[in-house]
Amino acid sequence: NAGVTQTPKFQVLKTGQSMTLQCAQDMNHEYMSWYRQDPGMGLRLIHYSVGAGITDQGEVPNGYNVSRSTTEDFPLRLLSAAPSQTSVYFCASSYGGDPDIQYFGAGTRLSVL
Amino acid sequence: TQLLEQSPQFLSIQEGENLTVYCNSSSVFSSLQWYRQEPGEGPVLLVTVVTGGEVKKLKRLTFQFGDARKDSSLHITAAQPGDTGLYLCAGAPNAGNMLTFGGGTRLMVKP
Repeated sequence: NAGVTQTPKFQVLKTGQSMTLQCAQDMNHEYMSWYRQDPGMGLRLIHYSVGAGITDQGEVPNGYNVSRSTTEDFPLRLLSAAPSQTSVYFCASSYGGDPDIQYFGAGTRLSVL
Repeated sequence: TQLLEQSPQFLSIQEGENLTVYCNSSSVFSSLQWYRQEPGEGPVLLVTVVTGGEVKKLKRLTFQFGDARKDSSLHITAAQPGDTGLYLCAGAPNAGNMLTFGGGTRLMVKP
């Protein structure tokens, strides 16, 4: 049972570089989300999608871009990496019911130098 | 300012001790969830509480949702080293809203 798969697990970037964090789920969930986790800050929502072709901004969307062309995939793009984007990034998927139970990937640890 | 405030932020105890973690807000939530996260992994759901005053038990873990649905607590009895991890509460103000997470409580249980 793969669940939610994130790649890569680790990444080091230089300031100004761009990259895409990949996320795929095999549970046929409609909802997918990207969070960042920083010490003492819990998880903060970056962008989310309630279905293929539909995306919306979360709490901290600046500097990130997303698209949802299929139900399974929800990539997160860093347009021009900054040191403030050093964090651990988690992708999650869910059915979108109430309560909405999130299933998380193992995370991508990103360092921007 | 976070919508959900967790306390304490850090807790280090000996095996066999009891502990309580709190999740507080000034807002009403339709439901609250508790997740546990181990190093190098994503959070995993422990329990969801949906009714004011509700109490749920999961082995040595007891979860309570406040009567006014603004707060929740997690009590662990006779903690074990395997309980070590980051405990996160999360809630949605209304059905259909995206989840908001608290800042987390990092628990270490020493043998």
